[in-house]
Amino acid sequence: NAGVTQTPKFQVLKTGQSMTLQCAQDMNHNSMYWYRQDPGMGLRLIYYSASEGTTDKGEVPNGYNVSRLNKREFSLRLESAAPSQTSVYFCASEGRTGLREQFFGPGTRLTVL
Amino acid sequence: SQKIEQNSEALNIQEGKTATLTCNYTNYSPAYLQWYRQDPGRGPVFLLLIRENEKEKRKERLKVTFDTTLKQSLFHITASQPADSATYLCALETWGNNRLAFGKGNQVVVIP
Repeated sequence: NAGVTQTPKFQVLKTGQSMTLQCAQDMNHNSMYWYRQDPGMGLRLIYYSASEGTTDKGEVPNGYNVSRLNKREFSLRLESAAPSQTSVYFCASEGRTGLREQFFGPGTRLTVL
Repeated sequence: SQKIEQNSEALNIQEGKTATLTCNYTNYSPAYLQWYRQDPGRGPVFLLLIRENEKEKRKERLKVTFDTTLKQSLFHITASQPADSATYLCALETWGNNRLAFGKGNQVVVIP
């Protein structure tokens, strides 16, 4: 099992450009999450999806959109990137059973110039 | 406002000693409290979960305590090793909420 995979690993954008960050999990988990992590700010939730077909805003949703394409895949889109969106983005999934632990992907390091 | 506070200063500790980290929270009624480990350039990895009605949880050299009166969790690494050097994050989940709120993390450096 690959767990949670994210693409790309690194990306540099110019202000105003758009891009989609991809996330997939092979653990048959219902819930998936997108976080951003900035120095001194910790992990902040952008959007989450409790189950296929549903999405909800987290703490910092402005400037982002998400799509829960199917049970495996949850993508994050930046329509018009801004320098304030320079960050490391993590996708995570959770099975909602047993331990309720979240499994994180390796992250995408995004720089917006 | 809701806050989860972890010490921003790195904890430097001699190998073999016990490292103790603190997680304090305000304006939360957590159902669960979790601890994660994060190494540089990698995603967090789950370590332990403790429920609101549990006082203590252990896993190998790790121990977590949870005091809902003090609104505090303590995370202990006994017989610390250089490989334990990392940043440790605490996270809370409240009842009926499908999401975790994370603290900013506390770095541990184990000196050989």
